[in-house]
Amino acid sequence: DIQMTQSPSSLSASVGDRVTITCRASQGIRNDLGWYQQKPGKAPERLIYGASSLQSGVPSRFSGSGSGTEFTLTISSLQPEDFATYYCLQHGTYPWTFGQGTKVEIK
Amino acid sequence: QVTLKESGPVLVKPTETLTLTCTVSGFSLIKTRMGVSWIRQPPGKALEWLAHIFPNDEESYSTSLKSRLSISKDASKSQVVLTVTNVDPVDTGTYYCARGHYDEALDYWGQGTLVTVSS
Repeated sequence: DIQMTQSPSSLSASVGDRVTITCRASQGIRNDLGWYQQKPGKAPERLIYGASSLQSGVPSRFSGSGSGTEFTLTISSLQPEDFATYYCLQHGTYPWTFGQGTKVEIK
Repeated sequence: QVTLKESGPVLVKPTETLTLTCTVSGFSLIKTRMGVSWIRQPPGKALEWLAHIFPNDEESYSTSLKSRLSISKDASKSQVVLTVTNVDPVDTGTYYCARGHYDEALDYWGQGTLVTVSS
């Protein structure tokens, strides 16, 4: 199975900060990487798929990049509604696998 | 619009079999390229992908849980069913179904259903 290593596991940031979250795959997955946002008590919501394709309706401050084994999710200017937990998902090779999550907290 | 909704028991005893149903609307389980996955999340922990069923009825499973999982669908009822055999308290968590394709990951998710395994 492909292992997804996500970092950091948590971070504290202020409104307006630029935030970067990284996922590393244990083997190459082309650009088959998605990013999800999950708020407490809610189902995850897709932000990015195919490493860099933005889900319709998601603010442009979210962006994804990378290919092969290293990927990043960037929030260019953190907003109050962005405090949540973020997960990566490799969706190129079955079984699909998630990263361990990154909790973004208010500083 | 596309919706998915999970249903099943709230409480299951250890060693029993858990059966969960995902009822979908807004898309077909056969006349489409999209399949349906099941994902679970223990309380306070990360998401775990469990299984996927394709439009042609092919299946894929988590390697670690493969021996205990079975996924199937009834397209006439727009339902996808997941069974988990021989449950243990570590199987406690919220179970989600979601629509998916290898090009697009998981796009639409159900609200989730919380299952507790306890005697």
